[in-house]
Amino acid sequence: EAQVTQNPRYLITVTGKKLTVTCSQNMNHEYMSWYRQDPGLGLRQIYYSMNVEVTDKGDVPEGYKVSRKEKRNFPLILESPSPNQTSLYFCASSDRPNTGELFFGEGSRLTVL
Amino acid sequence: GENVEQHPSTLSVQEGDSAVIKCTYSDSASNYFPWYKQELGKRPQLIIDIRSNVGEKKDQRIAVTLNKTAKHFSLHITETQPEDSAVYFCAANQAGTALIFGKGTTLSVSS
Repeated sequence: EAQVTQNPRYLITVTGKKLTVTCSQNMNHEYMSWYRQDPGLGLRQIYYSMNVEVTDKGDVPEGYKVSRKEKRNFPLILESPSPNQTSLYFCASSDRPNTGELFFGEGSRLTVL
Repeated sequence: GENVEQHPSTLSVQEGDSAVIKCTYSDSASNYFPWYKQELGKRPQLIIDIRSNVGEKKDQRIAVTLNKTAKHFSLHITETQPEDSAVYFCAANQAGTALIFGKGTTLSVSS
């Protein structure tokens, strides 16, 4: 089954404790992206990757890092989480990022205390 | 860069009525305009899309129209049903970064 898998789905952590949200896709897509969803603000892009070892900032990259060492994986790293990073995070992938469907993961709800 | 405005932010209709959600975009180079539906607690999923060489596209009860001159596109849902209740996002493509999303419209269909 074609899918985008994120882990963890839910996480409560404390300020400053490094965490990683993993994302894996099995569709051999070159493009992957991370979004955060906040009430009234819609889906805002954090980082994206056009291919292995190619990453770039989206609209809200501050406080986040990513890496793309393999085509299937695109982890989101919060080196020192802060309460304003409490949000719902979605990973997505596509084989045609500008003209085709984005496949989203199930989402990861992160709370930073 | 691209900017996508979406209206209204909330929309309440009676079952059987029509619903219309409108979006405007800023980048005249944008040529792909998808709509995503997000049910409560679920991931966004593509429901329909339109490309700039087409003015209208239909899929059963949903349709999308595009006016390139005015830079706006709309989602039309006819004969709404309770299962249409969800958050709807419009988007437009931008070179290099894929999709820019609107802020979403929460549609409530009451029976």
